[in-house]
Amino acid sequence: DAMVIQNPRYQVTQFGKPVTLSCSQTLNHNVMYWYQQKSSQAPKLLFHYYDKDFNNEADTPDNFQSRRPNTSFCFLDIRSPGLGDAAMYLCATSRDLGQGAITQHFGDGTRLSIL
Amino acid sequence: QKEVEQDPGPLSVPEGAIVSLNCTYSNSAFQYFMWYRQYSRKGPELLMYTYSSGNKEDGRFTAQVDKSSKYISLFIRDSQPSDSATYLCAMSEYGNKLVFGAGTILRVKS
Repeated sequence: DAMVIQNPRYQVTQFGKPVTLSCSQTLNHNVMYWYQQKSSQAPKLLFHYYDKDFNNEADTPDNFQSRRPNTSFCFLDIRSPGLGDAAMYLCATSRDLGQGAITQHFGDGTRLSIL
Repeated sequence: QKEVEQDPGPLSVPEGAIVSLNCTYSNSAFQYFMWYRQYSRKGPELLMYTYSSGNKEDGRFTAQVDKSSKYISLFIRDSQPSDSATYLCAMSEYGNKLVFGAGTILRVKS
């Protein structure tokens, strides 16, 4: 089945220690998104890639960066995680932007804990 | 004020009940309205979406949008224990960015 896979499912890191979360997709979709979802809160869009074009949300902290080396993979890098960065990180894909972005396919997330 | 407001619940109902889930919003430019379902420890999955105002039905699920009141609803008929999940509404102006509600936890008891 075509899908969005996130690894690892659970990640524990130390305060200030860089961490990378990964996402892969077999849907061959053009757009990949990263969302942050804190407990009992709405998923919050951090950034997205349309093909190789990177689009950062205005309120995404500089601490968060992303890479998309090819169509299938996208990475979320947190350079110096703080306690406030503990959250579920969701990767999603869509075939296109505009109306094509309505149907987003989500992975099962990576739950990040900061010690 | 949040752009999208959603009662967190939990909403607990007996099996077979009709469930009503709701969201209000403040941005009158929203045109696309979506409902996502999120099971525990899983990512959200799209249930259905509506463009502009009106109703849309899909099996046991009916989505309603009232743009004049900035209010959307999802109705679930004949609710089942397998419907127990968090239901997230989401909205978009022209499709590029989805703005989510925080979700309503639904528990259907058998």
